[in-house]
Amino acid sequence: DTGVSQDPRHKITKRGQNVTFRCDPISEHNRLYWYRQTLGQGPEFLTYFQNEAQLEKSRLLSDRFSAERPKGSFSTLEIQRTEQGDSAMYLCASSPPAGIQETQYFGPGTRLLVL
Amino acid sequence: KNQVEQSPQSLIILEGKNCTLQCNYTVSPFSNLRWYKQDTGRGPVSLTIMTFSENTKSNGRYTATLDADTKQSSLHITASQLSDSASYICVVSARPGGSYIPTFGRGTSLIVHP
Repeated sequence: DTGVSQDPRHKITKRGQNVTFRCDPISEHNRLYWYRQTLGQGPEFLTYFQNEAQLEKSRLLSDRFSAERPKGSFSTLEIQRTEQGDSAMYLCASSPPAGIQETQYFGPGTRLLVL
Repeated sequence: KNQVEQSPQSLIILEGKNCTLQCNYTVSPFSNLRWYKQDTGRGPVSLTIMTFSENTKSNGRYTATLDADTKQSSLHITASQLSDSASYICVVSARPGGSYIPTFGRGTSLIVHP
């Protein structure tokens, strides 16, 4: 399977715990994005990487959230001291180098439930 | 403020019928508009992408139109199938290439009944 993969697919945690999600983009896609999606809503942009550089961050990304892409390939999204409001689907997407026709390819998402 | 509004919020149609979903946006300066299909519990899958100069783009039974003057787009589904039941999301990007923060609509939930 050469699509975007995410791990884990589901995560249940207790409030206050830390969680980390991983995203493996399509190989040779230098752009990687993280989104959060709650029920009945469209995805909300969290952050964007071009290669290993984190170029844009949404104000939604509080100081409890951190994302990395150390070698310009896979990326991790960590949430510290989780809160019940963090319960959502976390989507990762990748796209090839820049072009006005660029399309983002989404992974299956990681569904987080904070109890 | 960049916004993308979709209508209707939800739609129920019978298998074999056609339907049209709407997307209005205020994103500026406009770069491109994409329609995605999202099955329940899965990530969105791209259906079409249109730039400023394109008025229509087809992908099988899906046809998207774009009026950049009125900032409106539509997605027409022909001869609907049960597998078309999903959420359809309109996404507008404000900058050509480079880094950008796309604006997502809330989606239209489509249910196709046999």
